[in-house]
Amino acid sequence: DGGITQSPKYLFRKEGQNVTLSCEQNLNHDAMYWYRQDPGQGLRLIYYSQIVNDFQKGDIAEGYSVSREKKESFPLTVTSAQKNPTAFYLCASSIDRGTGMEKLFFGSGTQLSVL
Amino acid sequence: DQQVKQNSPSLSVQEGRISILNCDYTNSMFDYFLWYKKYPAEGPTFLISISSIKDKNEDGRFTVFLNKSAKHLSLHIVPSQPGDSAVYFCAASAKGNEKLTFGTGTRLTIIP
Repeated sequence: DGGITQSPKYLFRKEGQNVTLSCEQNLNHDAMYWYRQDPGQGLRLIYYSQIVNDFQKGDIAEGYSVSREKKESFPLTVTSAQKNPTAFYLCASSIDRGTGMEKLFFGSGTQLSVL
Repeated sequence: DQQVKQNSPSLSVQEGRISILNCDYTNSMFDYFLWYKKYPAEGPTFLISISSIKDKNEDGRFTVFLNKSAKHLSLHIVPSQPGDSAVYFCAASAKGNEKLTFGTGTRLTIIP
């Protein structure tokens, strides 16, 4: 079955530690995205990538880093510089035909908590 | 600056009745609008969308209405069913840009 796989489902971070959230898709989509959801807030865009080896900052990129070495994979690293990392992280992908009229497909999310 | 707004954090509707969820936007460049449904601890799933060239789109029990002059859209669910209980997000994108801007969500509870 085609889809987006995020792992792990739950992740705990210690103070000063970097952690990496995995996102893999087998939908052959060009574009991939990372969103963060906090209680009572909408989904806020962290980073997105429209093509391999290229990515753009979203609205809340500070304290995060990404890479896009393969079309299928878009890992997100939450660095120690991110002072409030506790949130539900969602990865998504879409076909990028440049029309702005494609829907995003989401993974099942990773809940990150600080110990 | 919240470009997509859902002013009702929660809504309760009797089973079988109509649910109406509202969304307002401020960015006049937005021309494609989507509704997503989300259950706790899961990713959002696409529900229905509408392009700015239309004012209505229908898919089974779900209908989305777009009022461009008011920068307002709404999602109608009729009849409402218990499985419709979830958080609904409105999202928008601008021409040529797949990046979506989301609203804050409305938690819909269907009362049996």
